[in-house]
Amino acid sequence: DAGVIQSPRHEVTEMGQEVTLRCKPISGHNSLFWYRQTMMRGLELLIYFNNNVPIDDSGMPEDRFSAKMPNASFSTLKIQPSEPRDSAVYFCASSFRTGSVGNTIYFGEGSWLTVV
Amino acid sequence: SQQGEEDPQALSIQEGENATMNCSYKTSINNLQWYRQNSGRGLVHLILIRSNEREKHSGRLRVTLDTSKKSSSLLITASRAADTASYFCATEPGGGNKLTFGTGTQLKVEL
Repeated sequence: DAGVIQSPRHEVTEMGQEVTLRCKPISGHNSLFWYRQTMMRGLELLIYFNNNVPIDDSGMPEDRFSAKMPNASFSTLKIQPSEPRDSAVYFCASSFRTGSVGNTIYFGEGSWLTVV
Repeated sequence: SQQGEEDPQALSIQEGENATMNCSYKTSINNLQWYRQNSGRGLVHLILIRSNEREKHSGRLRVTLDTSKKSSSLLITASRAADTASYFCATEPGGGNKLTFGTGTQLKVEL
């Protein structure tokens, strides 16, 4: 089975440009997460969706960041305008939430963003 | 702030030795998970322990949970060079769907 698929894997962009990161979750999963990882701040949860609905976006740094999930098989994270401090690895992850078993999640390989 | 704090931050051992990593967390939990991240890759789930469990085994992994101390440990026995990676604990504070990760322990296993 295909895992979580992210694109692009690497992106270098100039400050002020719009960046769009894409994610295809595992088929059948009903929760999707966007994380950001940096050396300074570690792994931060930016936003998560349940059944395509954004549930908690309290981790989104500021209004320059937005995320959408138009259907169960696709999500985007957009940064507009981008700044050098947005340079990080952005991970998408998905899971199938069932009762109280625990939310084991499956990560993509990440999108490595460098803003110069 | 991080829900989980692992220690040590970095650990270097020889192949064949055991590696122990610790995680402390702040709020009540229903379960605690451990993940592994190889350099340049995404995180991979290793094991989940529920709040009513004290110990769990999976292959060479042994996880303990002490809810009274809000702490967990991950033991990797008979380590191999391929175990070199970062290890993270993760919890869902308050039982919500918001999986929050600790700061991680970087493990290096040398031949």
